Formats: sequence, C-alpha cells, structure tokens
Amino acid sequence: GQNIDQPTEMTATEGAIVQINCTYQTSGFNGLFWYQQHAGEAPTFLSYNVLDGLEEKGRFSSFLSRSKGYSYLLLKELQMKDSASYLCAVIDSNYQLIWGAGTKLIIKP
Amino acid sequence: DVKVTQSSRYLVKRTGEKVFLECVQDMDHENMFWYRQDPGLGLRLIYFSYDVKMKEKGDIPEGYSVSREKKERFSLILESASTNQTSMYLCASRLGQDVTGELFFGEGSRLTVL
Repeated sequence: GQNIDQPTEMTATEGAIVQINCTYQTSGFNGLFWYQQHAGEAPTFLSYNVLDGLEEKGRFSSFLSRSKGYSYLLLKELQMKDSASYLCAVIDSNYQLIWGAGTKLIIKP
Repeated sequence: DVKVTQSSRYLVKRTGEKVFLECVQDMDHENMFWYRQDPGLGLRLIYFSYDVKMKEKGDIPEGYSVSREKKERFSLILESASTNQTSMYLCASRLGQDVTGELFFGEGSRLTVL
C-alpha cells in the first residue's frame, strides 16, 4: 500500500529551529508538496520538491531525498504564528496526490 | 487575491437528511476538488472535476455526488447523510490539469451528522 509518515505533534520554542520529517512509501514518485494549515483555516502552499536537495524560501526550507523516500521541512527563527499543522503530500506514479496526516507544530514562548 | 469560498463553515444535520455543500472559486480555475479531512488521516479525495459538467470519482466517492454546472462552482451532495460522514470537508481548485500545480483551498465546512 501507499504510506506517508509524519510525526503527529511537535513542540518547539519561539526563535528556535525545527525540522518536520516526512517519509513516504509510494508507487513511484513525481513530486512532493508541503502545505501549512492554521487551525480552522484553509491549507496554503509552502513548497514543491521534485529533485533531490534543499530549497530555501525565507525562513522555510524543504529538503528531498528520493533514494531515501524522505523529505523534511525546516523552519528557522520560529514565530508564534508558525503554530499550525504541516501537511506532506506525494504525487505517485499515477499522478495521484497522496496526503500524510499532518504534523501539528506547537510553538511555546 | 485568489479565493475559494465554501458556503457553510458549520452545519449540523440529522441522519437521512440531504446535504449540499457549495464551493465557489474566483480564479477561473479549470480543476476543482472535494476532500474530507479526519483526525489522524491524510486528506482523502471524494470527487474532482476537470471542467464544467465533468466529474470523476476520487478515492472515497460512496455516499456522495457532485455537480458542476458552472466553471466557478462545485457542489458536494450527500443524498442521505449518515453519522460516518461527520467530518471536515475541504474544497480546492487548481489552474490546470498539471498535478504539480498549487492547490488553493477553502476554509472548510465542518459537518456534524446526528
């Protein structure tokens, strides 16, 4: 079967750095998304990776290793507003989008 | 600013009732989607549409139907609501059929079926 694993919940301190991991076992791979979802709000696009390596976008970076079936989202200089759920989604060989259950990130002062 | 609007944020219905969830996008997007979001599970695709009057089943279409009479509007219908359809329903749109394109989501409709 197809599976995407993310930690259910993580806690970090304001100003610190946090890494949210996503591992996937899917039938093929055609790209990986990260979305952010604040409680009670719409998910919003953060990043898309299809090639190995790190892509940086301000305080957020996303890394992909296709050989390891692994990605992470790195958040630097954490702010209280970063408290949200982070959703990982993989495009499989049939170009279907497979979603992880999401990681709830709690930021403490 | 792009926008996907879902008509109802919160609904409470009784078992057996017919439920309509409406979604409107103002971006002239071709593709529209309905997902349900449940705790501990990833988003699950119910139905999607690539064009007006077109619809395709997703992973969990049973108990649901959809309607897309106009490009900007995609409706989800529960013909006879059941308690296991209590969930958060998310509508999304995408510019074209390229699956690598960004999805734009609505804020969700939380449905409780008693």
